[in-house]
Amino acid sequence: SQTIHQWPATLVQPVGSPLSLECTVEGTSNPNLYWYRQAAGRGLQLLFYSVGIGQISSEVPQNLSASRPQDRQFILSSKKLLLSDSGFYLCAWIAGGITDTQYFGPGTRLTVL
Amino acid sequence: QKEVEQNSGPLSVPEGAIASLNCTYSDRGSQSFFWYRQYSGKSPELIMFIYSNGDKEDGRFTAQLNKASQYVSLLIRDSQPSDSATYLCAAPDTGRRALTFGSGTRLQVQP
Repeated sequence: SQTIHQWPATLVQPVGSPLSLECTVEGTSNPNLYWYRQAAGRGLQLLFYSVGIGQISSEVPQNLSASRPQDRQFILSSKKLLLSDSGFYLCAWIAGGITDTQYFGPGTRLTVL
Repeated sequence: QKEVEQNSGPLSVPEGAIASLNCTYSDRGSQSFFWYRQYSGKSPELIMFIYSNGDKEDGRFTAQLNKASQYVSLLIRDSQPSDSATYLCAAPDTGRRALTFGSGTRLQVQP
């Protein structure tokens, strides 16, 4: 069966510090991978998606970036965090087929102080 | 950009009642729709999907799709306090190969 991991689970960082969040998927190959952010009390905002190694599409121009160095690894980064980067970061993957069902990882709670 | 709209709630129902959650979408080309449940502080979990007009039942949950009206709903029968959560509706945006989510409806089931 497929599983998706994210770490760290929680993170508290000062403004201006760098960020690296990691997501890995097990039990599948060549998945579509996604990074979402959910601000407190808000909906899901798609940040990046990737259909393959080295292929990244950005949805929101901001101080975040994403990379996919391996087939089942997706990394979200920032060189300098802003207060507005606080939120719940979710990695997701899509199982192929007609329904394209999307599954989420457990998430990383980021607080920028 | 494709849009999915939901009433943010909260929707409050007594235990044992039927909860009705609604969602509208803008893309007439959307073929499948998803309902996720999100407990506070947790990631969304899939409840069910539907891609044919009509009803689809799974236990206490029934999804209803009306493509002509661009309307999707989720009915929860015999609501339990454990059903209290935010319910997210989603539709595929084939152009971006991603799901577009509504902002979610918060459901409160009163014991």
